[in-house]
Amino acid sequence: GDSVTQMEGPVTLSEEAFLTINCTYTATGYPSLFWYVQYPGEGLQLLLKATKADDKGSNKGFEATYRKETTSFHLEKGSVQVSDSAVYFCALTGRSGGSNYKLTFGKGTLLTVNP
Amino acid sequence: DSGVTQTPKHLITATGQRVTLRCSPRSGDLSVYWYQQSLDQGLQFLIQYYNGEERAKGNILERFSAQQFPDLHSELNLSSLELGDSALYFCASSVDGLNNQPQHFGDGTRLSIL
Repeated sequence: GDSVTQMEGPVTLSEEAFLTINCTYTATGYPSLFWYVQYPGEGLQLLLKATKADDKGSNKGFEATYRKETTSFHLEKGSVQVSDSAVYFCALTGRSGGSNYKLTFGKGTLLTVNP
Repeated sequence: DSGVTQTPKHLITATGQRVTLRCSPRSGDLSVYWYQQSLDQGLQFLIQYYNGEERAKGNILERFSAQQFPDLHSELNLSSLELGDSALYFCASSVDGLNNQPQHFGDGTRLSIL
């Protein structure tokens, strides 16, 4: 079945540091790939997405490129802020039956940014 | 604000009891999904509805059931509750359930079984 593997945290960085959170996936067909972010006490928010190979998703300074050859979708940000502290989830949509799709999530990576 | 509304935010109950979680999708979204988030299992897909019909099942226990009503809101019913059912339950919605459509999540219902 489909699976997503992302680097285990926690990740602790100083403000303005460079961030990379690795994500690799296993899926049949051509999944769409997503990064979601979960702030403390809140639900998941869509951060960015990519729907086909070589697409780059970007939002709020975060970027990720859909690499089919390496089955990866690593999240990067050039300069993190304290407000970026949250749990980040990599996810893909794969078929759940027929023409229906469901999200398969990685285990999440806790990011803490210190001032 | 994702536009997905879940109630209640918190539920505390005892083993053996039954609860109902409610979800209102974003305006215009026809597909509703339920997910369970727990420390040991992470985020797991439970079930999907599209325009009132069940479309797909994931790791949903037989003690759990769901439905989507004509006004598109959905309810997740959990019965004969066990300690292990304590988790955060999320509802998500999307326009039509297609592969490239993002799912938008509510803030979740935290269920605690005592």
